[in-house]
Amino acid sequence: DSGVTQTPKHLITATGQRVTLRCSPRSGDLSVYWYQQSLDQGLQFLIQYYNGEERAKGNILERFSAQQFPDLHSELNLSSLELGDSALYFCASSVVGGSNEQYFGPGTRLTVT
Amino acid sequence: AQKVTQAQTEISVVEKEDVTLDCVYETRDTTYYLFWYKQPPSGELVFLIRRNSFDEQNEISGRYSWNFQKSTSSFNFTITASQVVDSAVYFCALSERLFGNEKLTFGTGTRLTIIP
Repeated sequence: DSGVTQTPKHLITATGQRVTLRCSPRSGDLSVYWYQQSLDQGLQFLIQYYNGEERAKGNILERFSAQQFPDLHSELNLSSLELGDSALYFCASSVVGGSNEQYFGPGTRLTVT
Repeated sequence: AQKVTQAQTEISVVEKEDVTLDCVYETRDTTYYLFWYKQPPSGELVFLIRRNSFDEQNEISGRYSWNFQKSTSSFNFTITASQVVDSAVYFCALSERLFGNEKLTFGTGTRLTIIP
């Protein structure tokens, strides 16, 4: 158990819908990262937050957004969902930044039908 | 831009054999960090090791060992006396020490199957 929690574990929804994925980092970790794992794109970095502020952005679609709250938990919002958004979404946390090891949550498997 | 290449897509070995997973990276930075993660069939990503670019010492942890060679930009992972529980997808990853760009760049992974 990495100490990072993600909910829900599985999510099935229809195209055009909006979903919210939730992540709670390990106790004491200030950085939260979101990654998407799909068969065709592999593991891709989406976005990083550090202590409530956006720190780095990857190949995140405009339909996707995230935030980190004062209690350090983070949410990833995916809207106008398409079939191609079906993937495993991971949250990771670290103490400070990318030089520290990132500990991953169990992931949320999103299926868009 | 940073890049990680894991040329071995799939490897199968018989239990108790040794196996080496290759990882080659590209980066323009002089300070960077390399990682290995394991993804077992259950799907979670398990941290295995982190090395920084200034520490080229090889590391051993039980049956696992890592060989970091800056001259060839490689960070290879060896499992000695493999066991069925080692069956998983293994990812090599790179992080550059650039403010505002602290993401992990992953390789495509190597699927390791240990045959009993």
